[in-house]
Amino acid sequence: DAGVIQSPRHEVTEMGQEVTLRCKPISGHDYLFWYRQTMMRGLELLIYFNNNVPIDDSGMPEDRFSAKMPNASFSTLKIQPSEPRDSAVYFCASSAPSGTLKGTDTQYFGPGTRLTVL
Amino acid sequence: GESVGLHLPTLSVQEGDNSIINCAYSNSASDYFIWYKQESGKGPQFIIDIRSNMDKRQGQRVTVLLNKTVKHLSLQIAATQPGDSAVYFCAVYTGGFKTIFGAGTRLFVKA
Repeated sequence: DAGVIQSPRHEVTEMGQEVTLRCKPISGHDYLFWYRQTMMRGLELLIYFNNNVPIDDSGMPEDRFSAKMPNASFSTLKIQPSEPRDSAVYFCASSAPSGTLKGTDTQYFGPGTRLTVL
Repeated sequence: GESVGLHLPTLSVQEGDNSIINCAYSNSASDYFIWYKQESGKGPQFIIDIRSNMDKRQGQRVTVLLNKTVKHLSLQIAATQPGDSAVYFCAVYTGGFKTIFGAGTRLFVKA
């Protein structure tokens, strides 16, 4: 398996622009997570999906952030308009429900997208 | 809510020595704990986990110890190697597939 795939790996944009981050989870995983990592705040959960349905978006910082999962193999995280404080590494992770694979809730992370908003 | 902290932000060890990374958590109801390793430029990678019905679990060169009484867990790495240099996160599963990550400890391995 190729693991969780994220694109782009790096994104540099100007304040006010729309940014779309993409994720392809591991095939067969029912859960998908979006995280943001910064030096100041560490790794924060933004939102997660189960079977393409958003379950908990309480970590989404503002209305400027939105996430979708139109099908089991694709999810997007959109920031519109972007601001310099959104600069961070954004990770997507997926997992299978307990009882399958390793029988744990292990999350498998993608390589991340490093976003820089100027 | 759950909060997860680490005793040291950095840890420097000599190659071949054992490393111990500590983590404290706040919610006594937490029942599942995970250690992740994050190398530079990569996403966190699962190392080992432990459930609250255990106090010790061993993997390959790694051992996780859980002390529920004081809400503390540790990761021990035996015979630390240069490839072990990374940031290590403890994570606490809080239910509903939500996981709270600690701040991370950066491990430096000196040759």
